[in-house]
Amino acid sequence: AQRVTQPEKLLSVFKGAPVELKCNYSYSGSPELFWYVQYSRQRLQLLLRHISRESIKGFTADLNKGETSFHLKKPFAQEEDSAMYYCALLDYGQNFVFGPGTRLSVLP
Amino acid sequence: DTGVSQNPRHKITKRGQNVTFRCDPISEHNRLYWYRQTLGQGPEFLTYFQNEAQLEKSRLLSDRFSAERPKGSFSTLEIQRTEQGDSAMYLCASSLVLVGSSYNSPLHFGNGTRLTVT
Repeated sequence: AQRVTQPEKLLSVFKGAPVELKCNYSYSGSPELFWYVQYSRQRLQLLLRHISRESIKGFTADLNKGETSFHLKKPFAQEEDSAMYYCALLDYGQNFVFGPGTRLSVLP
Repeated sequence: DTGVSQNPRHKITKRGQNVTFRCDPISEHNRLYWYRQTLGQGPEFLTYFQNEAQLEKSRLLSDRFSAERPKGSFSTLEIQRTEQGDSAMYLCASSLVLVGSSYNSPLHFGNGTRLTVT
């Protein structure tokens, strides 16, 4: 079965520090992966998808098929980055499977 | 706002009662998904529709749960004989799939309906 794991429930960093949110997946085909973010009292929204290879709000994520990972990175964290982050996989083009999420707390 | 709309935002019900939630997707989106989210967990897939056809239903979904999308626009999710374990946030999301291609747009989520079963 397709699975997405995010090993850290909570990640705390200081403002200006680099941040990396880990995501690993298990999938038998060619995956399409996403990062979704949920800021306080807001709905879940797309942060980035790997096929677009964009950098959104300074975040990037690289798909590593060898390590089956799609870690989210930002070189300098900002306080407004504090949120819940969910990694998700598009399952055979049909269904989105989400990881359990990591809460990022950026301290002043 | 032309985003995904869910009603009600909150529902408190007594165990054994039936509840129904509504989702209005983005109008041009042909896919509609229902997810459930409990505290500390990511969204858990329940079911999805393409237009009015229900294409997949989670094996975890009890027979007490039923969803419809009668005209391929809005959808309803009904839970019969609610149990305390049904307490959760129920999320609706929509996307656009281009027929004949593998393109599937990212999900656009609603604000969710928070169900509390007492």
